Amino acid sequence: GQQVMQIPQYQHVQEGEDFTTYCNSSTTLSNIQWYKQRPGGHPVFLIQLVKSGEVKKQKRLTFQFGEAKKNSSLHITATQTTDVGTYFCAGTQGAQKLVFGQGTRLTINP
Amino acid sequence: DTGVSQDPRHKITKRGQNVTFRCDPISEHNRLYWYRQTLGQGPEFLTYFQNEAQLEKSRLLSDRFSAERPKGSFSTLEIQRTEQGDSAMYLCASSLEGLLQETQYFGPGTRLLVL
Repeated sequence: GQQVMQIPQYQHVQEGEDFTTYCNSSTTLSNIQWYKQRPGGHPVFLIQLVKSGEVKKQKRLTFQFGEAKKNSSLHITATQTTDVGTYFCAGTQGAQKLVFGQGTRLTINP
Repeated sequence: DTGVSQDPRHKITKRGQNVTFRCDPISEHNRLYWYRQTLGQGPEFLTYFQNEAQLEKSRLLSDRFSAERPKGSFSTLEIQRTEQGDSAMYLCASSLEGLLQETQYFGPGTRLLVL
């Protein structure tokens, strides 16, 4: 079945450094969604990418969807302590269910 | 609050007991999903409804699990004869059926601990 892999599993940075997490699917995706989950919280929707090669920005966050629609990345510029949490990518392949990656847990040294 | 709500937020039960969780989706959303999340992992799909019809069930959903959405609004997830391996966060999400972009919004989850 469809699998979504996400790396790295953990990332620790100094405040102000950049952060990137990568997502790879075993199959071509219809779209990919990114969620952020704070410790003890639930996944909160960040963005959805649909088109091949799409790039979207939200302030310091940049999201990319690969040309083949099998990979995606999230890049945070100049991290702040409020960025702490686990970032999940989740893909769909026609069906409605989301298949989540394992997440990248971001911790920040202030 | 017009988001997805779940009740209870926490449940501790003894092995062998039955438990039932409730999810109230965003009011105009016709699709409702249940996921399970264990520590350090991403949410795993369990089942989903479109209105009152249960359209897909994961192989993760054993015979002890049953979900309903009788009137196409709130949903319940029941686990019978709970096992310690059922301990997890049970997340509900809802969405509005769309042509191209369909976003799932998650509730706060019900954290289940089976002793």
